[in-house]
Amino acid sequence: AQKITQTQPGMFVQEKEAVTLDCTYDTSDQSYGLFWYKQPSSGEMIFLIYQGSYDEQNATEGRYSLNFQKARKSANLVISASQLGDSAMYFCAMREVSGGYQKVTFGTGTKLQVIP
Amino acid sequence: DADVTQTPRNRITKTGKRIMLECSQTKGHDRMYWYRQDPGLGLRLIYYSFDVKDINKGEISDGYSVSRQAQAKFSLSLESAIPNQTALYFCATSKRGDTDTQYFGPGTRLTVL
Repeated sequence: AQKITQTQPGMFVQEKEAVTLDCTYDTSDQSYGLFWYKQPSSGEMIFLIYQGSYDEQNATEGRYSLNFQKARKSANLVISASQLGDSAMYFCAMREVSGGYQKVTFGTGTKLQVIP
Repeated sequence: DADVTQTPRNRITKTGKRIMLECSQTKGHDRMYWYRQDPGLGLRLIYYSFDVKDINKGEISDGYSVSRQAQAKFSLSLESAIPNQTALYFCATSKRGDTDTQYFGPGTRLTVL
């Protein structure tokens, strides 16, 4: 089974609108972490937001928020007030313990395009 | 200045050549990682090192080797490059602690002809 699933290969959003990028995960660990990264066309991977499995509040960082639904094993990224510079690939990732070591697994990404 | 640097940024080489990709960091992190990215496959872990004396294989280590020369330096070698190793390679670092968030270098685009 996929550890991280991003079901939306591509998304469009109108500038200034909000958009939700989906991410579901699979783990049997009780303690784990969830991350979102942005990869613009220039190629670098930019850390956006983190949510710990024991965090009771949804994480927020500026225009980014993480809609964490633990029972559903989902960690959707919400971008409010989209900007043209938000056009990029977005990757969801999960940190868990495997074989005594912490490992991070990435999803296959969602390509977001912001329309003027 | 960038906290995580990778050299070279781009490289074209031929099948059978030995290639080394280098990563340096000024973040003071103890953990370092090498990933490759292929279209449609996300990032896959090649090797990781939790300190200078601790090196571990990731999910796709065949055909690669690494060296952790110092806490700040982690290099990836392709002993005999083959065309299916053409990819974008990322180095990342993290600090042991609460979130263990990984921070990435700018990437090295490698083409093996």
